[in-house]
Amino acid sequence: AQTVTQSQPEMSVQEAETVTLSCTYDTSESNYYLFWYKQPPSRQMILVIRQEAYKQQNATENRFSVNFQKAAKSFSLKISDSQLGDTAMYFCAFSSPTQGGSEKLVFGKGTKLTVNP
Amino acid sequence: EAQVTQNPRYLITVTGKKLTVTCSQNMNHEYMSWYRQDPGLGLRQIYYSMNVEVTDKGDVPEGYKVSRKEKRNFPLILESPSPNQTSLYFCASSSQFRTEAFFGQGTRLTVV
Repeated sequence: AQTVTQSQPEMSVQEAETVTLSCTYDTSESNYYLFWYKQPPSRQMILVIRQEAYKQQNATENRFSVNFQKAAKSFSLKISDSQLGDTAMYFCAFSSPTQGGSEKLVFGKGTKLTVNP
Repeated sequence: EAQVTQNPRYLITVTGKKLTVTCSQNMNHEYMSWYRQDPGLGLRQIYYSMNVEVTDKGDVPEGYKVSRKEKRNFPLILESPSPNQTSLYFCASSSQFRTEAFFGQGTRLTVV
């Protein structure tokens, strides 16, 4: 069974600085997707970024980028120029087309990020 | 606007009183799922559905039922709720390409 581990329950960063959230996963699949979801106090689950395992290039979305190390099974999220609105719970998630696809996401336990003014 | 809609958003109920949380999506997605979120545990899948009349258990299905009679709707049924089902529940849907899940707004359920 796939597992996702987020080793940092809580983190904080000063506004405008850069912060990196860690995620490791365990799978025997070769084809899969990795995601970072943001959950602000409103509770809405918002997709931040997605990475396909077969793509070597790291995904980026504006201030958000990932460091995908397939051999190490590591998928960290870097937030540049942190803003107060980035304060949220962040979840790393995994899915595999052969193990249910995106209808069967496996989540980590989350990292609570606080951006301080 | 493409969305997944859950109702109600908040619910307080008593032990043993049957309840249903509704979920509807307007994107014509084939796949739908239910998750529960608990502090320190992340989100865990309860049930999922691949299409109308096709459902399967997730990781924590005990105490829950689902049905998929229409493509757009995927209600979650608690026949006899217990306090350990107090949680935040999310419905999600995804297309046949299965590359991304879209989530509803969440339902905060308290069972006393």
